[in-house]
Amino acid sequence: KAGVTQTPRYLIKTRGQQVTLSCSPISGHRSVSWYQQTPGQGLQFLFEYFSETQRNKGNFPGRFSGRQFSNSRSEMNVSTLELGDSALYLCASSLWGSGRDEQYFGPGTRLTVT
Amino acid sequence: AQSVTQLGSHVSVSEGALVLLRCNYSSSVPPYLFWYVQYPNQGLQLLLKYTTGATLVKGINGFEAEFKKSETSFHLTKPSAHMSDAAEYFCAVTSNQAGTALIFGKGTTLSVSS
Repeated sequence: KAGVTQTPRYLIKTRGQQVTLSCSPISGHRSVSWYQQTPGQGLQFLFEYFSETQRNKGNFPGRFSGRQFSNSRSEMNVSTLELGDSALYLCASSLWGSGRDEQYFGPGTRLTVT
Repeated sequence: AQSVTQLGSHVSVSEGALVLLRCNYSSSVPPYLFWYVQYPNQGLQLLLKYTTGATLVKGINGFEAEFKKSETSFHLTKPSAHMSDAAEYFCAVTSNQAGTALIFGKGTTLSVSS
């Protein structure tokens, strides 16, 4: 079974631009969560989608948004990029989106904002 | 609110020595606890998890952890370190109420010397 895939793996953007990251979960998994990883703040939960609905959201500004499609694939969008948005963005999928479930992480998208 | 504290941002051991990575959590509801490992330029891989039941949990690669409610701890151990264990380790907590939103500790980098 293929793992979680994320595209692109690396991205360089300029301040003020917007960016869209993509995540394909493991086949059959219905929940997709997104995390931001930075050296300063560590790993922080962004949001979770289940059956195309946002179920949970972390403490991030409205510039960060996402969506999930009917095939469970998810996209994350960041508008008006700031230097502080430079980070590794990780996507994770789980079967039912329960707290007990194992979450399977993708390799991440490394975003650099200049 | 939930939180996780990992004592020691960097732990160094010799090959063959005991590995002990410390994790303390705070949760007002029954927690689900996880240990993840991250190798350079990769996503997170689940080592083990505690949800309910037996408090001594065995995971992959010879790791195990014990849930101690009275001490609010979930320390990770391995009897004999291998060079391949060198990586960053994250303790995380969630709950039935939080869904998939993992709260991570700051991480502990494990170095293994020959």
